[in-house]
Amino acid sequence: DVKVTQSSRYLVKRTGEKVFLECVQDMDHENMFWYRQDPGLGLRLIYFSYDVKMKEKGDIPEGYSVSREKKERFSLILESASTNQTSMYLCASSFRSGNTIYFGEGSWLTVV
Amino acid sequence: KQEVTQIPAALSVPEGENLVLNCSFTDSAIYNLQWFRQDPGKGLTSLLLIQSSQREQTSGRLNASLDKSSGRSTLYIAASQPGDSATYLCAVSSYGNKLVFGAGTILRVKS
Repeated sequence: DVKVTQSSRYLVKRTGEKVFLECVQDMDHENMFWYRQDPGLGLRLIYFSYDVKMKEKGDIPEGYSVSREKKERFSLILESASTNQTSMYLCASSFRSGNTIYFGEGSWLTVV
Repeated sequence: KQEVTQIPAALSVPEGENLVLNCSFTDSAIYNLQWFRQDPGKGLTSLLLIQSSQREQTSGRLNASLDKSSGRSTLYIAASQPGDSATYLCAVSSYGNKLVFGAGTILRVKS
């Protein structure tokens, strides 16, 4: 079975802190994604990566950056956390475009 | 810009009933459509993937159909069980495997 692991399930951070959300997949997938999910707004794509060191902006990249130094790991970085970034963050991966997408369990981030 | 709509927003049915969830999308230029299930506070679990060239896919009690030209998909759940209670999301994939999600249908199956 494909496993997408998000290292932190629940985090509480202060405004202005730098936050790292880590995601690892174990199936040699090319594509990796970061989404956030908010009530009433659904899932929105922040960034995606189709290869090591490659990234593309999604629909809401402002305030976020990403890093993919190794194929299995995709990190989401909040350079200076703000309260409007309180949300559930979901990492996902797929082997190639057009294949099934697998999600991690999600990371609940609260910024106070 | 692709938009995905799911109807109904919520559904409550007695155990054993067959049910249909609907998904519509505005741009028919899609690569595929996926149906997901999400339990409260959890990530998404992929249920079925239908490529744009396919008409339907089946997995156990689930059957998903796709009519690309009319921009519609349905998820049919046979003989529903309380364990099927969850939020069901459909998502369409266009360029670069980027998914656009619907808002979901919250399903409750009463025992």
